[in-house]
This record gives sequence, structure tokens and C-alpha cells, in this order.
Amino acid sequence: QKEVEQDPGPLSVPEGAIVSLNCTYSNSAFQYFMWYRQYSRKGPELLMYTYSSGNKEDGRFTAQVDKSSKYISLFIRDSQPSDSATYLCAMSAPYNTDKLIFGTGTRLQVFP
Amino acid sequence: SQTIHQWPATLVQPVGSPLSLECTVEGTSNPNLYWYRQAAGRGLQLLFYSVGIGQISSEVPQNLSASRPQDRQFILSSKKLLLSDSGFYLCAWSLGTATDTQYFGPGTRLTVL
Repeated sequence: QKEVEQDPGPLSVPEGAIVSLNCTYSNSAFQYFMWYRQYSRKGPELLMYTYSSGNKEDGRFTAQVDKSSKYISLFIRDSQPSDSATYLCAMSAPYNTDKLIFGTGTRLQVFP
Repeated sequence: SQTIHQWPATLVQPVGSPLSLECTVEGTSNPNLYWYRQAAGRGLQLLFYSVGIGQISSEVPQNLSASRPQDRQFILSSKKLLLSDSGFYLCAWSLGTATDTQYFGPGTRLTVL
């Protein structure tokens, strides 16, 4: 079993839709959770960072962590064609913050 | 502000040839440095990471090696490339604090023929 599971997609939605991207994980020690956005042929860029359980909002993006279910989500409101990219979740544990464990990424396509 | 550079952007190499990819970071001191490989549909695979000059940790056994000759320079090398070395190579840095995140370079797309 992989430490982090993420549906590869692709996920195709119309412009303006609410998008939900998810990751599940198996290591209960994970406490730091990140979402990266990666455009085609580019390096990943940090989108959201959360610590422990709860929600964090930044503009149209909301990151949610449910540690009891070992489940994290990224919601995108009012999705735009420019949101079309691959979204990777990543996480680390306090005893090993030098290393991030990544999901395989979900490819999102937002069509006009 | 901090910036990270990688070169070359793309590379096509024959099997058995050597490899040298370079990564440099500006605007910070003593960063943690990382080399990842990203293959299609397989996510990011951590290859090497370094917490200081001359300190390299290898994550997977392979025909690649890494060196950190200067504080903000990280080099990925191979003496003889294999077909399976093809992929998108990403360098990343972090401050190495307990709650820090990693920031990625633009990547090098390597094709081994």
C-alpha cells in the first residue's frame, strides 16, 4: 500500500464549477500537508500549506484536513481554465520534515 | 527573494553517455537541497537530498549520484545513462525548519535514446 493515494484523473469540469481534489494517507504521524500545482512541463509550485486538522482558505482555494479519516482535500471555487494543471498533495511527519511524501497527482481540466 | 535555477531545460542523450545536471539557489543560505525524478503517472520520486555541503543522502539505489560542491549548488550525475533514466528531473530547496515546505525549480526533461 502506498503511503499517499491520489486519483490520477483526469478530472474534467466546466468553467465556474467547484472542484474537489482528494488524497488519502496511511501514516497517522503526518502532520504537515501541502498542495502543489504543476502546469505542463513546469516545476510544481506551492499552492497551500496546512498543519494538522481543519480548514484553510486562500482566495478561491480551500484546503481541508481530516486526520481522523486520514483524508485531505483541496477545493477550488469558481474554477477557471487557468486552473487546468496537475495537483499534487504532499505531506510530512514531525520526525522527518526533511522529506515530503507526494501523491501521484490529479490532472484537472477546466473547459470554457 | 529566493530563486532556483536548473539547466539544461531539455536534454537528449544516448544510452551509455554521461550526465550532469546542475541546480543553483539564490537568496538563501544553507538550504536543504533535493533531486526528484518524475515519470509519467508515477509521481515524484526522491532521489537525493542534502542538508549541507558534502552531505548527500541517497534514497534509491541506481546509477545516479549527487554532489554538493558549494552551499547553493547541487549536481546530479551519471557515468552511463540507461533508458530507464528518462524522465523529468526536478531540483528543490527548503529552509529545513520543522514546518518548512519545498520549492521547486523549472525542471530538466531528459530523454535517453
